[in-house]
Amino acid sequence: AQTVTQSQPEMSVQEAETVTLSCTYDTSESDYYLFWYKQPPSRQMILVIRQEAYKQQNATENRFSVNFQKAAKSFSLKISDSQLGDAAMYFCAYILRGNNDMRFGAGTRLTVKP
Amino acid sequence: NAGVMQNPRHLVRRRGQEARLRCSPMKGHSHVYWYRQLPEEGLKFMVYLQKENIIDESGMPKERFSAEFPKEGPSILRIQQVVRGDSAAYFCASSPLAGAEFSYEQYFGPGTRLTVT
Repeated sequence: AQTVTQSQPEMSVQEAETVTLSCTYDTSESDYYLFWYKQPPSRQMILVIRQEAYKQQNATENRFSVNFQKAAKSFSLKISDSQLGDAAMYFCAYILRGNNDMRFGAGTRLTVKP
Repeated sequence: NAGVMQNPRHLVRRRGQEARLRCSPMKGHSHVYWYRQLPEEGLKFMVYLQKENIIDESGMPKERFSAEFPKEGPSILRIQQVVRGDSAAYFCASSPLAGAEFSYEQYFGPGTRLTVT
């Protein structure tokens, strides 16, 4: 089975601090894409960052960066200089190249304390 | 460029009624995906469509659920004879043509929250 595991149902961070959200996945394939989505209370799914599995370099988008460990099938998200607007559910997801169904983890609820 | 549009945003139906959820993909996108999100869970794939074709419905319940993406107009997810367990958020996503840059990316709409009373 191809699954995505987010082992932290809830995380909390102080404003301006750094937090890391964990994600592991299970697939026997080697060609796939990984994503982190943010879902604020509005429930809109917002793409935070993407990573192509064939790229060794970790993706970064401003304050968001990933630690992609392909051998370990790990894809963690680091949020630096956390802001109040970062508070949301965060979902890790992946899709195999050529497939149609994106697989999602159960999510991590991030709280940012002022 | 308008994003993926879904309507209605909220839909309340009594048990046994029909629910119709609409999705208009982003301009230039010809692939549509439907996902369901139960409370406190991640999104689960239901169906993937291109214009006038269902490509993959492996995640769709066998009964009461159907989807279409006609040549003209939005994609429709139809749930007949709704039950309480159908209460969920239903998300639509779209992607560009295969081969286009980032064709593997799916852009999500705001979702439709269905409540069955």
